[in-house]
Amino acid sequence: GNSVTQMEGPVTLSEEAFLTINCTYTATGYPSLFWYVQYPGEGLQLLLKATKADDKGSNKGFEATYRKETTSFHLEKGSVQVSDSAVYFCALSNQAGTALIFGKGTTLSVSS
Amino acid sequence: GAGVSQSPRYKVAKRGQDVALRCDPISGHVSLFWYQQALGQGPEFLTYFQNEAQLDKSGLPSDRFFAERPEGSVSTLKIQRTQQEDSAVYLCASSFGPVETYEQYFGPGTRLTVT
Repeated sequence: GNSVTQMEGPVTLSEEAFLTINCTYTATGYPSLFWYVQYPGEGLQLLLKATKADDKGSNKGFEATYRKETTSFHLEKGSVQVSDSAVYFCALSNQAGTALIFGKGTTLSVSS
Repeated sequence: GAGVSQSPRYKVAKRGQDVALRCDPISGHVSLFWYQQALGQGPEFLTYFQNEAQLDKSGLPSDRFFAERPEGSVSTLKIQRTQQEDSAVYLCASSFGPVETYEQYFGPGTRLTVT
């Protein structure tokens, strides 16, 4: 079945540093790929998504490119802010297209 | 507008008790999903409804778990004879349609603690 692996955290950065959170996947077919974010005390929110190979999803300065050849969907941001501190989850759609399969999450902590 | 709401937000149950968790999806959302999130883990799929039809229940961990959505709106996840390993946050999500096309909106979750 489909599965996703993301780098373990926590990731601790200073404000304005460059961020990469690695995510790789195993899938049958051509799943859609997602990044979700959970800010402290809030529910899961969709950050960005990509539905086919070479698509780039972007939102709030974050980007991720759907790489079929490396089965990856790494999350990047050029300059993080304190307000980006949150837990980030990589996810993909299951084979039936009926649900999301999530990674374990990566905690990002940004200090000023 | 109102998002997905869940109640109760917190539930403490003694081992062996039955619990019922409620989800109110966004109005008009056809699809409804339940996930279980253990501490320090990502959400894991439990079950999926399209309107009142339960189309996928492959993630339910045992026959103690039961979900329903009788009128295609509000959904209830019931856990019978709770065990300590059932302690987790239970998340509900809703969307207009399939995950490939439509964003899933998540509720705040119900934190279940089984003592």
